Amino acid sequence: DAKTTQPTSMDCAEGRAANLPCNHSTISGNEYVYWYRQIHSQGPQYIIHGLKNNETNEMASLIITEDRKSSTLILPHATLRDTAVYYCIVRVALGSSNTGKLIFGQGTTLQVKP
Amino acid sequence: DAGVTQSPTHLIKTRGQQVTLRCSPKSGHDTVSWYQQALGQGPQFIFQYYEEEERQRGNFPDRFSGHQFPNYSSELNVNALLLGDSALYLCASSLAQGVISVTQYFGPGTRLTVL
Repeated sequence: DAKTTQPTSMDCAEGRAANLPCNHSTISGNEYVYWYRQIHSQGPQYIIHGLKNNETNEMASLIITEDRKSSTLILPHATLRDTAVYYCIVRVALGSSNTGKLIFGQGTTLQVKP
Repeated sequence: DAGVTQSPTHLIKTRGQQVTLRCSPKSGHDTVSWYQQALGQGPQFIFQYYEEEERQRGNFPDRFSGHQFPNYSSELNVNALLLGDSALYLCASSLAQGVISVTQYFGPGTRLTVL
């Protein structure tokens, strides 16, 4: 599985958009980009995933560059409850024998401030 | 729709003891993965169970073992506990499509403290 690089920490003002970057320059063609977040001492929460097209759901938007070497998670209107550690994970997609594990890095600690 | 549940919430053991942690997957899911999260670190994959068999394993010693039951629930067993086994243990469930496992959903975790 390809490795990811994320900033250690970021701040965002409440009500503003939070843009969390992730670099995955060694991503392979059959690998998806997944985002999870973890609020203190809770289990990780699935946010969104994508292969090459931009994706949007009720929680966030995922923008993947055309070369797929980086992506950005966007929380359109951050609230104090969005304060968490955000993990960007690259994961082998369908059809591979290595489909079980998620490899977590250190993630980005997002602090939403009033 | 019931999410992933884990028990117990917290557990305190002493070195050398054995512990069993339990997980019930999200309704409709048939695959269970276990992760260990030390303080300040990201979760690390222990193993995954599907069709009552261990399908993939991370870099953990044989002291860590598991089981999956016909109802898809799972147990994680750790023998001969070490101080370093103190961590948050997370269970994640997913739905396998053939041999393919997709999005994993996590439970709240079990906080294990080894004294």
